[in-house]
Amino acid sequence: DAGVIQSPRHEVTEMGQEVTLRCKPISGHNSLFWYRQTMMRGLELLIYFNNNVPIDDSGMPEDRFSAKMPNASFSTLKIQPSEPRDSAVYFCASSSGVEGDQYFGPGTRLLVL
Amino acid sequence: AQTVTQSQPEMSVQEAETVTLSCTYDTSENNYYLFWYKQPPSRQMILVIRQEAYKQQNATENRFSVNFQKAAKSFSLKISDSQLGDTAMYFCLLMIYNQGGKLIFGQGTELSVKP
Repeated sequence: DAGVIQSPRHEVTEMGQEVTLRCKPISGHNSLFWYRQTMMRGLELLIYFNNNVPIDDSGMPEDRFSAKMPNASFSTLKIQPSEPRDSAVYFCASSSGVEGDQYFGPGTRLLVL
Repeated sequence: AQTVTQSQPEMSVQEAETVTLSCTYDTSENNYYLFWYKQPPSRQMILVIRQEAYKQQNATENRFSVNFQKAAKSFSLKISDSQLGDTAMYFCLLMIYNQGGKLIFGQGTELSVKP
């Protein structure tokens, strides 16, 4: 299996632009998680899905952030408009069941100028 | 509110020695899971070990083992025969299964294994 796939691996954009991060979970996994990692705040869970349904989005920082999972093999995290404080590494992880072992993607390094 | 605390921001150990990383947590739930993840310089997140709260036996994975003290809400990770490749940031994760599930990571412990 290829593991969790994230794209792009790196993104540099200007403040105010829309950013879309993509994730393909491991085939057969039915839970998908989006995390953000910064030096100041560590690892934060933004949102997670179970069977394509958002279960907990309490970690989404504000309305500028949105996430979708239109099918079992694809999810997006969108930031619109982006701000410099959104600069971070964004990880996607998937698991078999919410309580299952999570397998992380390589992350997307986002820099908002 | 659930919390996870890793009180050691940095640790170092000599190669081949044993090191223990601490993690304490707080939750009123009885049904939960605990994990240790490592993040090497490559920034990839890798599962190290998991423990189900209902299991009394401590989990073990090769050189990695945990000391799970449920009453004390403590979940420490012991790395035996440390190797240079163990150098990484280690995160403790609490997963509450009930009520839709909550996931809380600790702040991490940066472990350096020295030759």
